[in-house]
Amino acid sequence: QSALTQPASVSGSPGQSITISCTGTSSDIGGYKYVSWYQQQPGQAPKLIIYDVSERPSGVSNRFSGSKSGNTASLTISGLHVEDEADYYCYSYTLSSTWVFGGGTKVTVL
Amino acid sequence: QVQLVQSGAEVKKPGASVKISCKASGYTFTSYFFHWVRQAPGQGLEWMGLINPTGGRTTYGHKFQGRVTLTRDTSTSTVHMELSNLRSEDTAIYYCARDSVEALDIWGQGTMVTVSS
Repeated sequence: QSALTQPASVSGSPGQSITISCTGTSSDIGGYKYVSWYQQQPGQAPKLIIYDVSERPSGVSNRFSGSKSGNTASLTISGLHVEDEADYYCYSYTLSSTWVFGGGTKVTVL
Repeated sequence: QVQLVQSGAEVKKPGASVKISCKASGYTFTSYFFHWVRQAPGQGLEWMGLINPTGGRTTYGHKFQGRVTLTRDTSTSTVHMELSNLRSEDTAIYYCARDSVEALDIWGQGTMVTVSS
């Protein structure tokens, strides 16, 4: 199972909106609603920020939103904050009953 | 509170095995699956496998088939990950994580495994 495809880096200024894409196939992202997103700050464990494509766990800012179209999922961060600077990973269930991560995207706040 | 606490850092020689534990607390252990994920230095997250703590059924990533074994001990609310025939490329932080709503909502603090001769 190959890793899902994410851009290596995305940047934006405070207050702007950015979108991170996560491209897979019909055997993973395109076939299931089990797509989640994680934020990882340096030296910390990942943190769940979106599950089931577009659901937000309790306590996660509504500036984070998720969507999916075909084989591509997307994470949008609205009103970018300095503290949003981190690595972001998508995660999907697959046809072979396994799971796969995206390669990760480093978000830089300019 | 709900938490997963992992065992401490390990240093192993090539060809050896390592066994990491992950102790759950604050919720009913058998209610949620556990996933294992690793992260090599400066690299991304990599899924290794999962275990259903109720019956012990496992699913492993293709890359790790034959080298990884996940087990659980319901009496201590602990899951274990054993990786055998270690090589330098296995140097990484290993995480356990709880699977809730088909996503990983609680993570352990990570266990650093260093493979070096």
